Amino acid sequence: ETGVTQTPRHLVMGMTNKKSLKCEQHLGHNAMYWYKQSAKKPLELMFVYNFKEQTENNSVPSRFSPECPNSSHLFLHLHTLQPEDSALYLCASSSPTAEVVGYTFGSGTRLTVV
Amino acid sequence: ELKVEQNPLFLSMQEGKNYTIYCNYSTTSDRLYWYRQDPGKSLESLFVLLSNGAVKQEGRLMASLDTKARLSTLHITAAVHDLSATYFCAVNFGNEKLTFGTGTRLTIIP
Repeated sequence: ETGVTQTPRHLVMGMTNKKSLKCEQHLGHNAMYWYKQSAKKPLELMFVYNFKEQTENNSVPSRFSPECPNSSHLFLHLHTLQPEDSALYLCASSSPTAEVVGYTFGSGTRLTVV
Repeated sequence: ELKVEQNPLFLSMQEGKNYTIYCNYSTTSDRLYWYRQDPGKSLESLFVLLSNGAVKQEGRLMASLDTKARLSTLHITAAVHDLSATYFCAVNFGNEKLTFGTGTRLTIIP
């Protein structure tokens, strides 16, 4: 474990389902991120939260809805997804004082949309 | 535009050989990170380079940063099979987020 825990590890959902991804960190970091990793594409930053406030939404479709109730928890709510949304979704956290180690990533959720 | 480019994208090399992965970035930064990713797994932090001329070494891997050339290199010495993975560089352009390169998929052949 890296200190950033993501659940579930794997998720298969239909296009009409609603599901949520969860990310939790107890590293004392103030910033949390959602990244999408698709085959043959670079890591894509989706959302950034800093001290629970969303500071970036990288033109992500509204079928992805983030939630950050506190600095330790981050959710990604999913609804009416498309097959092309199938990917590995990675959560990361960071802190200015932890710059020497960069981001800490979770193990990811492998999402398959059928 | 903030861009990070890696090359090569794919690299097959024999055990025991040396090789270098290159990471170029588009504008000024002095904070660069290297990560390793095994198939189906998350990203593991390898090196953090925070100044011009920084050099870090861990085992058979050595990373360096030239901020004037906007270039970082990851050098592999006497490769072994365990080093097979995808390697990413990432740059902090001062906007509190990392921009990642496309990754280099490294395969070490016995």
